[in-house]
Amino acid sequence: DTGVSQDPRHKITKRGQNVTFRCDPISEHNRLYWYRQTLGQGPEFLTYFQNEAQLEKSRLLSDRFSAERPKGSFSTLEIQRTEQGDSAMYLCASSFSLQAGGDYGYTFGSGTRLTVV
Amino acid sequence: GDSVTQMEGPVTLSEEAFLTINCTYTATGYPSLFWYVQYPGEGLQLLLKATKADDKGSNKGFEATYRKETTSFHLEKGSVQVSDSAVYFCALIDRNTGNQFYFGTGTSLTVIP
Repeated sequence: DTGVSQDPRHKITKRGQNVTFRCDPISEHNRLYWYRQTLGQGPEFLTYFQNEAQLEKSRLLSDRFSAERPKGSFSTLEIQRTEQGDSAMYLCASSFSLQAGGDYGYTFGSGTRLTVV
Repeated sequence: GDSVTQMEGPVTLSEEAFLTINCTYTATGYPSLFWYVQYPGEGLQLLLKATKADDKGSNKGFEATYRKETTSFHLEKGSVQVSDSAVYFCALIDRNTGNQFYFGTGTSLTVIP
């Protein structure tokens, strides 16, 4: 297993278009997370799944955002009617649901950088 | 709620200088603490971690000690190199839930030859 994979690495889209990102977690991990990182800031939590169930959503996740994790494997994050304020790095991470040395084996992907023009 | 406060940047140092980046935290539970590094245009790389009080995390010459009494996890390196130029993030997760990371705002470090 080569870690958490995200696709695409970069996405440029016009305002108002829909975009979808994909994340493939580490296969042994049953939790999957999405974070957003804007310029000059630390990553902020958006949502997470345990297996296929979406267990928590941040208030940052507006109605235009939807995340899915069918069959508890890969996940997609869709943004509808993109706005310039959506421009950010979108990071995916995966982990175990039980402690693994106190850090749950948390592993981040390299991110998808979205630019809305 | 849980949060992390870290030293504002940017920080500019000469090569071989001593580095300290301060980080303090607030946690309702019992956190594990981390330092992540981010190079331009890239994702997060785990630099070091400590999962209980008085633990010292270390990697690539960087060190940080989990101080419960001062709720701190300051990052130090004795002699920085140009290749250490990056943004450093302090972060925590709650050991009991592991639900999400709380990150600081990041400290940009530039090391000049």
